[in-house]
Amino acid sequence: NAGVTQTPKFQVLKTGQSMTLQCAQDMNHNSMYWYRQDPGMGLRLIYYSASEGTTDKGEVPNGYNVSRLNKREFSLRLESAAPSQTSVYFCASSSNLGEQYFGPGTRLTVT
Amino acid sequence: ELKVEQNPLFLSMQEGKNYTIYCNYSTTSDRLYWYRQDPGKSLESLFVLLSNGAVKQEGRLMASLDTKARLSTLHITAAVHDLSATYFCAVDGSRGSNYKLTFGKGTLLTVNP
Repeated sequence: NAGVTQTPKFQVLKTGQSMTLQCAQDMNHNSMYWYRQDPGMGLRLIYYSASEGTTDKGEVPNGYNVSRLNKREFSLRLESAAPSQTSVYFCASSSNLGEQYFGPGTRLTVT
Repeated sequence: ELKVEQNPLFLSMQEGKNYTIYCNYSTTSDRLYWYRQDPGKSLESLFVLLSNGAVKQEGRLMASLDTKARLSTLHITAAVHDLSATYFCAVDGSRGSNYKLTFGKGTLLTVNP
């Protein structure tokens, strides 16, 4: 039982490049989330998916797209990376109590 | 828009002392969560508080929720160095089962010998 897994763990991009962050959970949770964490800002919700086939914007969706591929997998895509997207990205899924379980994170640097 | 405020944001305390971290939020909710994050690591769930008056305890940490005051507290008893970490509260301001959380900025706790 791996919980929530994310790939890659680290990534360096040049401005304008694209990439997809992958997330998978094996806890049979319906809801999944993508957050970014910046120093002094706490965690901010980018997108979430309440169930397979649905996605909704969070607090900071601009510059990102998501795909809920199936119940297990939820990916985050940066189409044209910008330095302002340098951050640590966390994927999470939630139990039926709303308790969220987090992946190990992806540290992204955009130069 | 739901706002979640933690204070203090930085807390340096001595081993053996007691202290409380406060989490205030701006709109009605009866679902609040506390997380711990060690440097360079992910977030680990500490407590799930789902009703007014809920109190949970684990070791030297105790969390409570007062939904009428829109306030949760995380009390640390007889702090030890291993408790040094950043603590986040998060509030579910959504209805139904979306469980969309808004996080506070976090409290960086340093416990000194």
